[in-house]
Amino acid sequence: NAGVTQTPKFRVLKTGQSMTLLCAQDMNHEYMYWYRQDPGMGLRLIHYSVGEGTTAKGEVPDGYNVSRLKKQNFLLGLESAAPSQTSVYFCASGQGLTNYGYTFGSGTRLTVV
Amino acid sequence: DQQVKQNSPSLSVQEGRISILNCDYTNSMFDYFLWYKKYPAEGPTFLISISSIKDKNEDGRFTVFLNKSAKHLSLHIVPSQPGDSAVYFCAASTITGANNLFFGTGTRLTVIP
Repeated sequence: NAGVTQTPKFRVLKTGQSMTLLCAQDMNHEYMYWYRQDPGMGLRLIHYSVGEGTTAKGEVPDGYNVSRLKKQNFLLGLESAAPSQTSVYFCASGQGLTNYGYTFGSGTRLTVV
Repeated sequence: DQQVKQNSPSLSVQEGRISILNCDYTNSMFDYFLWYKKYPAEGPTFLISISSIKDKNEDGRFTVFLNKSAKHLSLHIVPSQPGDSAVYFCAASTITGANNLFFGTGTRLTVIP
């Protein structure tokens, strides 16, 4: 039982390059989320999905796009990376608020130079 | 605007003593609160939660207290153990809607053996 798996774990991009971060969950959860964590800022929601084929903007969506073509996968895309997108990215999944919260992946550390 | 605040960036406690981590929120619509624990290079893991219909929830050594009138919650860890050393995030949400979590900036707890 893998839970939430994020790939890649580390990546260095040059300004202007594009990339896609993949999140996969094997718990049949409806809800999936992408967060970024920056020093002194806590975790901030980028985009989320409440089911297959749905996506919505969170607190800090600019510069990112997402897709949820399959229930188990939630992709986060950076079309033209900027140094301000240097961060640690976390994916989470859940089945609404329960006594068990949401399950997070182990994160992707992205550096844009 | 930070809707969930953790004003203490760090806390040190002797092993066996009580650790008290505090969290304040500004949005009166929040009705569900969670605490997450995070070790370096790992994703946050769910610790304990509380609904706004309660003022206390207990799970083993961990107890969360909620004071709705003060918009304040706290996490008590008794007795503290060295393995509890981690960053603790407070999060808040609403039970209706997409259940997005709003996180505080975290408190680094160090339990001294």
